[in-house]
Amino acid sequence: SQKIEQNSEALNIQEGKTATLTCNYTNYSPAYLQWYRQDPGRGPVFLLLIRENEKEKRKERLKVTFDTTLKQSLFHITASQPADSATYLCALHPGYSSASKIIFGSGTRLSIRP
Amino acid sequence: ETGVTQTPRHLVMGMTNKKSLKCEQHLGHNAMYWYKQSAKKPLELMFVYNFKEQTENNSVPSRFSPECPNSSHLFLHLHTLQPEDSALYLCASSQERPGSSGNTIYFGEGSWLTVV
Repeated sequence: SQKIEQNSEALNIQEGKTATLTCNYTNYSPAYLQWYRQDPGRGPVFLLLIRENEKEKRKERLKVTFDTTLKQSLFHITASQPADSATYLCALHPGYSSASKIIFGSGTRLSIRP
Repeated sequence: ETGVTQTPRHLVMGMTNKKSLKCEQHLGHNAMYWYKQSAKKPLELMFVYNFKEQTENNSVPSRFSPECPNSSHLFLHLHTLQPEDSALYLCASSQERPGSSGNTIYFGEGSWLTVV
């Protein structure tokens, strides 16, 4: 069966460092991958999308990579700030079909300490 | 503000009660969804509506009953729930374009449901 794993349930790092979150998948060939941010008690908010033919995508301090050989995506936040503390979800999509086919990971809770 | 509004934000109900969750999207999207989010578990897709027609029902118990009167409004009617149904219920919408990829899902803030 299809499986998505986000490397750890929680990640705690020092402010100013680069946070790296991992999303691994098996038995799946996604056409694209998305990352969402979710704050406590709130709904997820879309951050970035990367397609299978793209190696890297950037948006301000965020960077996403997508390695279809390793079946892995890495999500980086550079110069991390306490305001970046949240749960980050990766989501995979087979492409060219309804968004209802998107599969979400369980998320990684990131804490940035001052 | 994501453009998807859910009410109520918090709901406590007994196992014999009947209540409803409401969702409205202001984005002009043609698809709406209900998701369930329990602690430490991935988002679970419950129902999908496309142009107000239900297209997916992922084996959800009949004690959850969705209603989509138009493409902007979605309800989830709840009756005789169990304590294990306590969770965050998220409404979402997207613009579905046949043959296109990269559809983004826009979520509401969620309704916290506690069944006692």
